[in-house]
Parts: sequence; C-alpha cells; structure tokens
Amino acid sequence: GENVEQHPSTLSVQEGDSAVIKCTYSDSASNYFPWYKQELGKRPQLIIDIRSNVGEKKDQRIAVTLNKTAKHFSLHITETQPEDSAVYFCAAPLSGGYNKLIFGAGTRLAVHP
Amino acid sequence: EPEVTQTPSHQVTQMGQEVILRCVPISNHLYFYWYRQILGQKVEFLVSFYNNEISEKSEIFDDQFSVERPDGSNFTLKIRSTKLEDSAMYFCASGTSGLARDNEQFFGPGTRLTVL
Repeated sequence: GENVEQHPSTLSVQEGDSAVIKCTYSDSASNYFPWYKQELGKRPQLIIDIRSNVGEKKDQRIAVTLNKTAKHFSLHITETQPEDSAVYFCAAPLSGGYNKLIFGAGTRLAVHP
Repeated sequence: EPEVTQTPSHQVTQMGQEVILRCVPISNHLYFYWYRQILGQKVEFLVSFYNNEISEKSEIFDDQFSVERPDGSNFTLKIRSTKLEDSAMYFCASGTSGLARDNEQFFGPGTRLTVL
C-alpha cells in the first residue's frame, strides 16, 4: 500500500553534532522527494528537495541523498544548532498519485546546547 | 515572497455544524491541495484540485467534504456535518506543476479546527 517509512521517530543530539533522518518509499516511479521542517504550531516549510536525476543535493548545512535502487532517501544536517530543533517530515508522491504527497510519520529532532 | 494564506487561524464549532475553511493560494499557482494534521501526527493528504475539479482525493475525503474555487482567488474546504474526529490542523497548499512527483508544494499557516 501507500507508505513512506521514516526513522527515527525522535532524535536527540548535542549542538555541533550531525543528524541523519532516513526515509523509504514504495513507488519506484516517484522522482521527487521533499523534506519539510515544522516548528511547533507552524506550517511545514520546505527546506530541501531532490529529484531522481541526482544522487545528492546540498544547501549549506543541509544535504539530501537519494538511492533509487534501494528506494530510500536521507536528510543530513551538519553542525546542528538549537534552532534546528523541530519535527522533520519526508514526503514522496506514491501509487501513481500525480497530485498527492504521502508524508512520513515525522522525526522530532532536539538539539541540546 | 508570496505565501499561501488561510483564514480563520482557529475555528471552534459544535459537532454536526458546517464549517468552511478558506485559503488564498499563491497567485500564479494552478494546483491546490488540502491536507490535515491531527495533533502530534503526520500530515495527511485530503484532496488535490486543478482546473476547477478534483484531480485526486484520499479515503478521508468522504461525502462530508467538498472543495470549491468560487472566485478565482479563494480555495475553500467545506465540511458539511463536523464530527469530533475532524478536529485537526488543516493546511492548504499550492504548486505550479500538476505532478506531485515534480512539484514543490507551498503550505499555508493552517486552520486549527476544534469540534466540540
């Protein structure tokens, strides 16, 4: 069925450490993979996305890697800061759904000073 | 930078009442979406809309739900007879492309619906 698996559900790191969040998807036709950051009580904000024609994309301290063969993609945050604390959601379009994104269950990241 | 806007920010209603949630998508976007997020849970797709018709909907989007673009700028979600389990944050989103597989979707700030 339609599903995007996301791990871990919670992640606690010290400021300056790296954080990695992983997602797997089921539809091999999917070729667009966004990551959203959601602070408490606020809207999901797109922070980075990747399309299937590349294996990695970086934007300052944030990077996303994609393995199409294994159908998984990961978010990497380096040099974490307390303001990175939030819930992060991966998403993917699934089941021939041209117009819908299926979200992962979310990862609550806590960065401790 | 243009943003999706939503009103109201918080709606409280009695069970069985009708509610209409309003959204103004980004002006040059053609594809519109509603999602909901029950407190502490993930974001769930409800419906997508293009060219004045629904292009896809989820199992959640039953006969109690409807969407409309009444005037070329607003995009509304109506729940005809609210149930307690409809309590959630409802997010509107819009995008420029029709393919979710290639589509940046920009989310509004959400409307928190509380059904008593």
